[in-house]
Amino acid sequence: AQSVSQHNHHVILSEAASLELGCNYSYGGTVNLFWYVQYPGQHLQLLLKYFSGDPLVKGIKGFEAEFIKSKFSFNLRKPSVQWSDTAEYFCAVNSMIKAAGNKLTFGGGTRVLVKP
Amino acid sequence: NAGVTQTPKFRVLKTGQSMTLLCAQDMNHEYMYWYRQDPGMGLRLIHYSVGEGTTAKGEVPDGYNVSRLKKQNFLLGLESAAPSQTSVYFCASSYDPSSYNEQFFGPGTRLTVL
Repeated sequence: AQSVSQHNHHVILSEAASLELGCNYSYGGTVNLFWYVQYPGQHLQLLLKYFSGDPLVKGIKGFEAEFIKSKFSFNLRKPSVQWSDTAEYFCAVNSMIKAAGNKLTFGGGTRVLVKP
Repeated sequence: NAGVTQTPKFRVLKTGQSMTLLCAQDMNHEYMYWYRQDPGMGLRLIHYSVGEGTTAKGEVPDGYNVSRLKKQNFLLGLESAAPSQTSVYFCASSYDPSSYNEQFFGPGTRLTVL
């Protein structure tokens, strides 16, 4: 069974600081990788995704993530955060097994608070 | 397109009561999912469906039942609610072919069981 771990449960930053959120997964086969964001009181929205190709993926709102296959990692980064980036961030993995229903396995989430 | 919608948005139940949560999507997606979200545990899959008339168990199916009588709807039922089922419930859908399986989420239902 696959699993996803996010290293930080809570992160507090000041505006303009750089952000990096760690994500590691355990699964030996081919995977799709996702980062979702949940702003306060809202539903999950896709930030970015990796299916194949360039391991450095750029998403919306200035976020990017790097897939390092040898480390089973998919860390999320943003060079300079804004107050509006305050949200909870979820890493998720899909094992690309169609018979398994394209199920996503989520990490526990990281709450990010950006102080103005 | 409305995307994925969920009703109701909020609900309070007493222990032992039953209820049904409705999820609807207008994107002609084949796959639909029900998750629960609890603090520090991310989202955990309850049940899912790979097409009309099919359902399957996810990670935490106990105490829940589902039905997918129409492609656009996916119902989650609690037959006898328990306080442990207090949570936020999210529905999601995705389109297959399997090479493109981003899931789209609904706004959530906040359920409290007293």
